[in-house]
Amino acid sequence: DAGVTQSPTHLIKTRGQQVTLRCSPKSGHDTVSWYQQALGQGPQFIFQYYEEEERQRGNFPDRFSGHQFPNYSSELNVNALLLGDSALYLCASSFIFRGSYEQYFGPGTRLTVT
Amino acid sequence: KQEVTQIPAALSVPEGENLVLNCSFTDSAIYNLQWFRQDPGKGLTSLLLIQSSQREQTSGRLNASLDKSSGRSTLYIAASQPGDSATYLCAVPVLRQGGSEKLVFGKGTKLTVNP
Repeated sequence: DAGVTQSPTHLIKTRGQQVTLRCSPKSGHDTVSWYQQALGQGPQFIFQYYEEEERQRGNFPDRFSGHQFPNYSSELNVNALLLGDSALYLCASSFIFRGSYEQYFGPGTRLTVT
Repeated sequence: KQEVTQIPAALSVPEGENLVLNCSFTDSAIYNLQWFRQDPGKGLTSLLLIQSSQREQTSGRLNASLDKSSGRSTLYIAASQPGDSATYLCAVPVLRQGGSEKLVFGKGTKLTVNP
């Protein structure tokens, strides 16, 4: 059973460019969340997708957008990249089990903005 | 607003030592708490999830406890090994109306176990 997968593993972009990160959830999961983790910090919630809609959003600007496809996979798009967007981007998938969630994380995509 | 704090930020111990990592949270109205392990530059590996109805959860040499009333959780690692060297993060869920959940993380404790 494949866990959560993310692509690409590493990415280098220039300020002002746009980037798309991809995530495939764990088999049987229908909810995908995205987190940004700066060096030395805990992950920060960006947004969550369920049934192809954004259900909740963290404190991130509109430059961060996403999409969920019918097969539950998801994309994170970041426009007009800033140096401060350099971070590890983590995708997590989950489903409700006995009224509680357990989130499973992918290996992450390391984004470097120069 | 839920805030999670982890103490200490870093810990270095000799191999074989038993150790405790601490996590505190400001809003005690949680329904579970997760401990994760993160190796440098890697994703998060879930170690233990404690439901609010539980006080302890064990997996091998790891034991996590949860005290909701005091807003604290501890992760106990017995007989530490160099392979335990990693950053350990705790996270609590914040549930919004409609069933949407996000995790709020601490900054982690970086553990180094010296041979």
